[in-house]
Amino acid sequence: KAGVTQTPRYLIKTRGQQVTLSCSPISGHRSVSWYQQTPGQGLQFLFEYFSETQRNKGNFPGRFSGRQFSNSRSEMNVSTLELGDSALYLCASSLGLAGGPIPSGELFFGEGSRLTVL
Amino acid sequence: QKEVEQDPGPLSVPEGAIVSLNCTYSNSAFQYFMWYRQYSRKGPELLMYTYSSGNKEDGRFTAQVDKSSKYISLFIRDSQPSDSATYLCAMIVSGYALNFGKGTSLLVTP
Repeated sequence: KAGVTQTPRYLIKTRGQQVTLSCSPISGHRSVSWYQQTPGQGLQFLFEYFSETQRNKGNFPGRFSGRQFSNSRSEMNVSTLELGDSALYLCASSLGLAGGPIPSGELFFGEGSRLTVL
Repeated sequence: QKEVEQDPGPLSVPEGAIVSLNCTYSNSAFQYFMWYRQYSRKGPELLMYTYSSGNKEDGRFTAQVDKSSKYISLFIRDSQPSDSATYLCAMIVSGYALNFGKGTSLLVTP
């Protein structure tokens, strides 16, 4: 069974540009969550989508947005990039059952998209 | 101040040692407590989870939760070089918004 696929794996942008990251969840999973990982702050929750609807959102500015398509694939977008947006962006997929990933089904993480902003 | 605090290490131990990894938290509403392992250049993978207070054992790994002290631990017995990774604690109230510690880097030397 294929795992969570994130593209691109690495990318370099300059300040002020925007970026779109893609995540294909495990087949049959309907929930996709996005996390930002930095050395200073660790893993921080960005948002979670289920059946094309955002169910939960973390404490990030409006420059961070996402969406989910009918096939459960998800994209996140960061506009007007800042140096502090340099991070590993991780996507996680899950069955998406009510109540959360525990104990109904765990989160499976992809290998991430590493964004460097110059 | 983050809701979940974790000593970043690094922690270096000889092969065969018992490893103790810990996290403290401030939100008493957390119900589920998880430990993830993350190898370099990989995404986190779930090791264990516990609900509320108590112990849970799985092979060489034991997870403990003390809700009265807001303190959780992961013990690794007979540590192996393959256990070298970053260990992340995570907690949730409900839903999919996990609160992670910053992770502890562990190195097990042969």
